[in-house]
Amino acid sequence: GAVVSQHPSWVICKSGTSVKIECRSLDFQATTMFWYRQFPKQSLMLMATSNEGSKATYEQGVEKDKFLINHASLTLSTLTVTSAHPEDSSFYICSAIRLALSTDTQYFGPGTRLTVL
Amino acid sequence: GENVEQHPSTLSVQEGDSAVIKCTYSDSASNYFPWYKQELGKRPQLIIDIRSNVGEKKDQRIAVTLNKTAKHFSLHITETQPEDSAVYFCAASANTPLVFGKGTRLSVIA
Repeated sequence: GAVVSQHPSWVICKSGTSVKIECRSLDFQATTMFWYRQFPKQSLMLMATSNEGSKATYEQGVEKDKFLINHASLTLSTLTVTSAHPEDSSFYICSAIRLALSTDTQYFGPGTRLTVL
Repeated sequence: GENVEQHPSTLSVQEGDSAVIKCTYSDSASNYFPWYKQELGKRPQLIIDIRSNVGEKKDQRIAVTLNKTAKHFSLHITETQPEDSAVYFCAASANTPLVFGKGTRLSVIA
């Protein structure tokens, strides 16, 4: 149990376009999902916390108008990178916490590698 | 907010030797300390975790110790094998999103 998927696994796009990344909890309901960004040889940096039915909470320095997060259901959160630029190229990973469990265990998706040309 | 420091940033050991990675945290309210292993291009995989009501936890060759007074916790891998080579991240949280350390690149030399 506790499987998290992401789609797509990789995407290449032109500068100025928007890219949507989906994060799904396949076999459990997730109260909260998190979006991280990881640059090469660096750690995971939290971008935002996504709660079903409410607005996402963004970390300091993360532009909410550029990184749009929608958590429409207990199994799906989406991250849209708007007007992507080469500096947005990174590995984007989501994670989820299970509903009804008093645990902090986060289950990670496989990640999406974004390359902006 | 929470700040997690992790050392060393790189670690090379001979196969069969032990490896130790140390982390310190700043928020005394943190009560959950997981360790993740990440191979290149893949998702972080939880390998062991410990909560603040426990001082030590062991799972086969992997153990984690926690010193709440000093606010530090450590990962111990015994009898290392080449497949243990990866980047290891510690993290801490207090009912909030995980805050990660910067990672340790472990190389196990056969």
